[in-house]
Amino acid sequence: DIVMTQSPLSLPVTPGEPARISCRSSQSLLRSNGYNYLDWYVQKPGQSPQLLIYLGSNRASGVPDRFSGSGSGTAFTLKISRVEAEDVGVYYCMQGQQTPYTFGQGTKLEIK
Amino acid sequence: EVQLVESGGGLVKPGRSLRLSCIASGFIFGDYHMSWFRQAPGRGPEWVGFIRSKVYGATTDYAASVKGRFTISRDDSKSFLYLEMNSLKTEDTAVYYCTRGGGYGIDVWGQGTTVTVSS
Repeated sequence: DIVMTQSPLSLPVTPGEPARISCRSSQSLLRSNGYNYLDWYVQKPGQSPQLLIYLGSNRASGVPDRFSGSGSGTAFTLKISRVEAEDVGVYYCMQGQQTPYTFGQGTKLEIK
Repeated sequence: EVQLVESGGGLVKPGRSLRLSCIASGFIFGDYHMSWFRQAPGRGPEWVGFIRSKVYGATTDYAASVKGRFTISRDDSKSFLYLEMNSLKTEDTAVYYCTRGGGYGIDVWGQGTTVTVSS
């Protein structure tokens, strides 16, 4: 199975400041079609997970442009350019390169 | 509005069976791969399995922890997704989510239905 490792696990951020979450995979998520099979999800308190970024760097419909995804192969980053109070939640990366699809441990973003 | 609504969760004894249902609305259900995920209390999400669209043969794939016990099926005429769970174990206790997509870009999640396996 592909192991996904996120850091940090806890991320206190002041509103208006940027935030960055790292995700590393134990195997490359880059396919021959040029796409990295890496998604980012956020689970806000009391809600189901929701898609933020798919295929490494594509924002899902309705996701604000302050969210961006980057990286390739085995190292990926989710960036929030200016954190807002509504961004509180647990952020997960998930690989879709091969089954079983696996998630990182989650990064809990909280507002300072 | 694109929506997935799960039902069928509840309290069940170890070794027993349960069938979860998910009704889809707001999109052409038959065009999409569909997946089930679960989330145990205090844990992150876990992939359970998925079923491809009929164009891809409606084939299925499962996590090792449920393979041979769980079966995913679909009824495209009614826009329903099912998860048949047999030989349930206490470690199957979780919120189960019906989702749209398979492999990447799981873009629609239901609200979840809770399954508790306990004697």
